[in-house]
Amino acid sequence: SQTIHQWPATLVQPVGSPLSLECTVEGTSNPNLYWYRQAAGRGLQLLFYSVGIGQISSEVPQNLSASRPQDRQFILSSKKLLLSDSGFYLCAWSEVLGMNTEAFFGQGTRLTVV
Amino acid sequence: QKEVEQNSGPLSVPEGAIASLNCTYSDRGSQSFFWYRQYSGKSPELIMFIYSNGDKEDGRFTAQLNKASQYVSLLIRDSQPSDSATYLCAVLLGNQFYFGTGTSLTVIP
Repeated sequence: SQTIHQWPATLVQPVGSPLSLECTVEGTSNPNLYWYRQAAGRGLQLLFYSVGIGQISSEVPQNLSASRPQDRQFILSSKKLLLSDSGFYLCAWSEVLGMNTEAFFGQGTRLTVV
Repeated sequence: QKEVEQNSGPLSVPEGAIASLNCTYSDRGSQSFFWYRQYSGKSPELIMFIYSNGDKEDGRFTAQLNKASQYVSLLIRDSQPSDSATYLCAVLLGNQFYFGTGTSLTVIP
């Protein structure tokens, strides 16, 4: 069966510090991968999605970036965090296009920028 | 802008009642529609998906889709306190899943 791992679970970082969040998927090949952010009391904002190694699409321009160095690894990064980067970051995967495909979520990383 | 709109609530229903959650979407190219449940501090988990007009039932849950009106709903019958959570509506458009802001549901014992 497929599983998705996301770490760390919680993170407190000072403003201006770098960020690296990692997500890996097991039990599937060539998944679509996604990074979402959920601010307090808000919905899920799609940040990046990837349909293959090295293929990254950005939904929202900001100081975050994403990379997919391996088929089942997705990394979210920042060179300098802002206070507004605080939130709940969720990695998700789905099968390649299909009408009944669904997004499966990792456990999330709660990031607090202080 | 790929918009998915939900009433943020909060919605409160007594135990055993029917909870009705609604969602509208703006892009007629949306292919599939999903309802996720999210407990506080946790990640979303899928309840149901639907991609054809009409109703789809799964246990106490019924999803309804009306593509002409661009409207999706979720009915929860015999609501239980454990159903208290935020319910997220999502649409699949191309490769991307777009989510609404969620409706907070509280089931009162």
